[in-house]
Formats: sequence, structure tokens, C-alpha cells
Amino acid sequence: ILNVEQSPQSLHVQEGDSTNFTCSFPSSNFYALHWYRWETAKSPEALFVMTLNGDEKKKGRISATLNTKEGYSYLYIKGSQPEDSATYLCASYYIQGAQKLVFGQGTRLTINP
Amino acid sequence: KAGVTQTPRYLIKTRGQQVTLSCSPISGHRSVSWYQQTPGQGLQFLFEYFSETQRNKGNFPGRFSGRQFSNSRSEMNVSTLELGDSALYLCASSLTGRGTDTQYFGPGTRLTVL
Repeated sequence: ILNVEQSPQSLHVQEGDSTNFTCSFPSSNFYALHWYRWETAKSPEALFVMTLNGDEKKKGRISATLNTKEGYSYLYIKGSQPEDSATYLCASYYIQGAQKLVFGQGTRLTINP
Repeated sequence: KAGVTQTPRYLIKTRGQQVTLSCSPISGHRSVSWYQQTPGQGLQFLFEYFSETQRNKGNFPGRFSGRQFSNSRSEMNVSTLELGDSALYLCASSLTGRGTDTQYFGPGTRLTVL
């Protein structure tokens, strides 16, 4: 079963606090893991594409880690700002059968000023 | 560089009608993928086109079809619309469509079926 789970579903954080959330995916036949940020009324914006176990990527205050052996990735936001409010999506790329990105349901992050 | 564009942005149709959505990828990108988003379902993969050929297909009925033109622009068609087809339809383009390619999304077309 091609299933990507994200937790929590939603999160409220005070401005200035740091936060993190999780993406779980089947570890067998892993190929690549994508993270996107989706702000309301905008297009999903690519954050990271990760492929290697132990990989760590960073973009400003946002970073992500990848564990392909146990099938999870963490996304971290340091010093949250109101502009970080968005839905964060992860997607695992499957190469069995139809090659495609399978998305999780997302984590909806709200930053309280 | 211009981003991915989709037209129209909003559509209202009635059951039984058909609809065509359009996606113009980033210049130089040869792969276009289509996704459906419905409440509670997340983004579901419809199909991917590369060099005018459908390369991958998701688990959607045959009423959903698409095509890609020589300039990489893509269209998606839904025939015999059902109420459950009401959704946000997103397209995404990438250079080659490989799993390690970054996908760039358009703003989506919001389809409402009455």
C-alpha cells in the first residue's frame, strides 16, 4: 500500500517558537522524498527533494532530515514567523507500477503573533 | 522565468457535461503531471505526460484523459462530469519528470460540478 502519513494534522505555534513535524512513508523501494509549502490561494512551493539516508537540507530557517531505513522525515522551522503559516506537504516518489508522487495529507501550521 | 500557468482558474459545470483544463509549463520543462485535490483526500496523482506521451497514470476512471502538445503545453479532459469531480486540479511541470526533479506547481483550476 502506497501510504504517506503526516503528523500532526494541524499545529498552532507562537511567533518566535521553533517547531517540527513528521512525514512517514514505506521504506521499501524508497526513491525520493519531496517537501512543499502551500500557502492559501497560492501554488505549492517546492522546499526540498531528498534522496539519501541521513540527508539534511536547509533553506533559511527551515530544515529537513531523512531516514530512509525507518521511513520518516522531519521538517523543522526555527524561530517561526507569521509568513510561515501554510500547509506543509510531503510526498514520496514511487517507482513500482505507475511512477508517481504520493502525497501525505499535510500539516497545517498557524503562527500566532 | 515565467511560472506554470493554468486556465481557467474557476469553472462551474453541470453533471453530464465535459470540461477541458489547460496547463502551460515552465519553458524548457518537458514533463507535466496532473493532480486532483478534494477535501480530506489530499493531492491524488492523475497522470504524467512527457514528450507528448502519457508516461504514467494514476487510479482514475477513463473519463479522465489528457494530452500534451509539441510545445509541452498539456490539457486535461473530464467527460460525463459527476458531482464527485468537484475539486481543485493542479498541474506541475519539471525538466524530465524523474523522481528527483523538483516539480513546479501552477495555481490550479477550481472545478465545481452542480
